[in-house]
Amino acid sequence: GEQVEQLPSILRVQEGSSASINCSYEDSASNYFPWYKQEPGENPKLIIDIRSNMERKQIQELIVLLDKKAKRFSLHITDTQPGDSAMYFCAAMGNYQLIWGSGTKLIIKP
Amino acid sequence: GPKVLQIPSHQIIDMGQMVTLNCDPVSNHLYFYWYKQILGQQMEFLVNFYNGKVMEKSKLFKDQFSVERPDGSYFTLKIQPTALEDSAVYFCASSRDWGGADTQYFGPGTRLLVL
Repeated sequence: GEQVEQLPSILRVQEGSSASINCSYEDSASNYFPWYKQEPGENPKLIIDIRSNMERKQIQELIVLLDKKAKRFSLHITDTQPGDSAMYFCAAMGNYQLIWGSGTKLIIKP
Repeated sequence: GPKVLQIPSHQIIDMGQMVTLNCDPVSNHLYFYWYKQILGQQMEFLVNFYNGKVMEKSKLFKDQFSVERPDGSYFTLKIQPTALEDSAVYFCASSRDWGGADTQYFGPGTRLLVL
């Protein structure tokens, strides 16, 4: 079936620096790309999303980029803080279903 | 923001028993979803549901699984009979529209342990 590849699986960055997570998808018809943050024992929470009619979106310290030609999208967290430590999942909307990446464990080092 | 509720939060049952997971979606949402997440791993799509019908289901949605939403009450996932590999967290989600048109909101999950 359709896949979304997400890298890296673990990302350690120094507090205050930037973190980048990359995803690629297969279905060229995908038109919606949300990013979710999941803390241990919690449900995933939408933090930012981008639709296929956009190339870039920013909400405060979160930036998402979408390259439809390459079928890639990415999340960039600028000025990381300890509270940013969590699992991050990208996803791509296929026909009727949201196809998830395998997740990135982001660790912010003090 | 919009809230999806799930009942119960935890369930422990013996293998072979039936279990029903309940989801109370956002009130004006029309599309409903179930996902399965084994600890620390990715979310895996099980099924989506609209207008009383299953629209799409994945290969994880075994014959022992069924979903329904009788008369606008809870959106339920029933597993009968349960197997050990059904142990996971099950998340319900809902959206007003589907596809790229709207966001899915997730419930807090039901942690199912099959012994």
